[in-house]
Amino acid sequence: QSALTQPASVSGSPGQSITISCTGTSSDVGGYNYVSWYQQHPGKAPKLMIYDVSNRPSGVSNRFSGSKSGNTASLTISGLQAEDEADYYCSSYTSSSTLVFGTGTKVTVL
Amino acid sequence: EVQLVQSGAEVKKPGESLKISCKGSGYSFTSYWIGWVRQMPGKGLEWMGIIYPGDSDTRYSPSFQGQVTISADKSISTAYLQWSSLKASDTAMYYCARGYSYGRTDAFDIWGQGTMVTVSS
Repeated sequence: QSALTQPASVSGSPGQSITISCTGTSSDVGGYNYVSWYQQHPGKAPKLMIYDVSNRPSGVSNRFSGSKSGNTASLTISGLQAEDEADYYCSSYTSSSTLVFGTGTKVTVL
Repeated sequence: EVQLVQSGAEVKKPGESLKISCKGSGYSFTSYWIGWVRQMPGKGLEWMGIIYPGDSDTRYSPSFQGQVTISADKSISTAYLQWSSLKASDTAMYYCARGYSYGRTDAFDIWGQGTMVTVSS
């Protein structure tokens, strides 16, 4: 199972919006609405930000939103803030009843 | 408070065995899947496998099948990840995490603090 493809880095200025893509196949991202997104700050455990493509867990800012089109899912962060600087990973359920993570994206707030 | 608490950092030699733990509290341990995730130094997240403590149903990533064993003891609300013969390439941070809802294996809402495993001669 190959990792889902994400851009290595994305950057934006405070207040701007950025979008991170996550590309898979019809056997994972395209086949199920079970895409999740995680935020990981250096030295910390990952934190669930989005599940089921576009749902936010309780306590997660509504500045974070998710979507999907075909084999590509996306995470959008609006009103970018300094605290959003972190690594972000997508994940998807697969046709093998396993889970696969994305390659990860480093978000830099300029 | 719902939490997963992992065992402490380990330093081992190649060829040695190891079992690390993940203890759940604040929720019904037998009702949620527990997954294990590897993060090698400076690298991304890798899904290793998952176990349902209620009946020990276990699934492995093809990349980790046969390389590790995932188990659970529901009597003490603890999941385990073990190796029979460690390699230097097993050096990594290992996280356990809880499936975010009853029966769900596709997202993790509660994470342990991680266990750093270092394998070096």
